[in-house]
Amino acid sequence: GNSVTQMEGPVTLSEEAFLTINCTYTATGYPSLFWYVQYPGEGLQLLLKATKADDKGSNKGFEATYRKETTSFHLEKGSVQVSDSAVYFCALSDGGGADGLTFGKGTHLIIQP
Amino acid sequence: DAGVIQSPRHEVTEMGQEVTLRCKPISGHNSLFWYRQTMMRGLELLIYFNNNVPIDDSGMPEDRFSAKMPNASFSTLKIQPSEPRDSAVYFCASRQGNYGYTFGSGTRLTVV
Repeated sequence: GNSVTQMEGPVTLSEEAFLTINCTYTATGYPSLFWYVQYPGEGLQLLLKATKADDKGSNKGFEATYRKETTSFHLEKGSVQVSDSAVYFCALSDGGGADGLTFGKGTHLIIQP
Repeated sequence: DAGVIQSPRHEVTEMGQEVTLRCKPISGHNSLFWYRQTMMRGLELLIYFNNNVPIDDSGMPEDRFSAKMPNASFSTLKIQPSEPRDSAVYFCASRQGNYGYTFGSGTRLTVV
């Protein structure tokens, strides 16, 4: 079956530090890959996505590249801000139909001023 | 667009009571998903609908859980009878075709 593994948290960084959150996946087909962000007390918001190998998703300074050879979709940001503090979820969707998302456990990111 | 609307935002109920969670998807979205989020298990897909028809309910934990989608603009998730281990945040999400999923703000359920 499908699965997503992401690094355990919490991850604590200082403002303006470089961020990497690792994500690897297992899927039977050619999945689409996503990063979602969840702020306290809120639902999940789509941060970025990539639908095929070597695609790069980007949004709000965050980037992730779909690496089929390493089955990875690591999230990066060059300079984090306090407002980036949230829980980040890596997820995959297997196929283009109306299937559900398989999520990783989530990584709690804490940015200190 | 108001997004995916869930109600109530918070629900506290006693063990054994019936609980009904409600969801209004984004107009025009043809797929609807119910997820449960807990600290121990993370985000789990419970059931999803395509064009109002249940496609996969293999994630529904027990017969105490049921979900319906009587029309394209409304879905319910019912737990009867509720138990303390059902305490979680329940999210509804909708999707149109290959576009991204849009999540509601969730219902935080506490069963005491």
